[in-house]
Amino acid sequence: DGGITQSPKYLFRKEGQNVTLSCEQNLNHDAMYWYRQDPGQGLRLIYYSQIVNDFQKGDIAEGYSVSREKKESFPLTVTSAQKNPTAFYLCASSIRQGASDSYEQYFGPGTRLTVT
Amino acid sequence: GESVGLHLPTLSVQEGDNSIINCAYSNSASDYFIWYKQESGKGPQFIIDIRSNMDKRQGQRVTVLLNKTVKHLSLQIAATQPGDSAVYFCAENRGRGGNKLTFGTGTQLKVEL
Repeated sequence: DGGITQSPKYLFRKEGQNVTLSCEQNLNHDAMYWYRQDPGQGLRLIYYSQIVNDFQKGDIAEGYSVSREKKESFPLTVTSAQKNPTAFYLCASSIRQGASDSYEQYFGPGTRLTVT
Repeated sequence: GESVGLHLPTLSVQEGDNSIINCAYSNSASDYFIWYKQESGKGPQFIIDIRSNMDKRQGQRVTVLLNKTVKHLSLQIAATQPGDSAVYFCAENRGRGGNKLTFGTGTQLKVEL
């Protein structure tokens, strides 16, 4: 059963602590993405990775870090430098650029992070 | 700045009626558009996509129309059902290489019984 998993579904942290959100995919996709979604808003790109051991900043990368050591995994760390970390975080993956006419991204179920 | 935006934040329709959700885009270089459905607390699900060399594409109960002249995209849902209640997002690939998508802010579709 192929797909993207994110864990945990809900996460609570105290202000000042770093927290790492998990994202795993078994779709054999090369590209992976992290988005942030705030209430009533669209998705904003945090980081993306087109291939293992490579990643680029998205539109709102400040206060976040990522790694891509394995094709199937793309963890996101929300650092204490992120001023407003409470949000719904979505991970997605897609096939490699040029392999298809579609740019469809497949999304995980999301992690709701609350920082108090 | 360039953006993908939606005309209406909330759309209410009667069950059985057709729904039309609109999306405006400003980047004339965008070559691919996609619609997603997001239910509360879940990740977005693919509905339908269209490339810029097409002006219409149909799926099961859904149709996407693309008007490149006025940079407008619409999603039509036929015979709207209660299960269609969700937030709908349009997104575009801006044709600069890579698989990145730029998302609009979304339209909440409410289906009234």
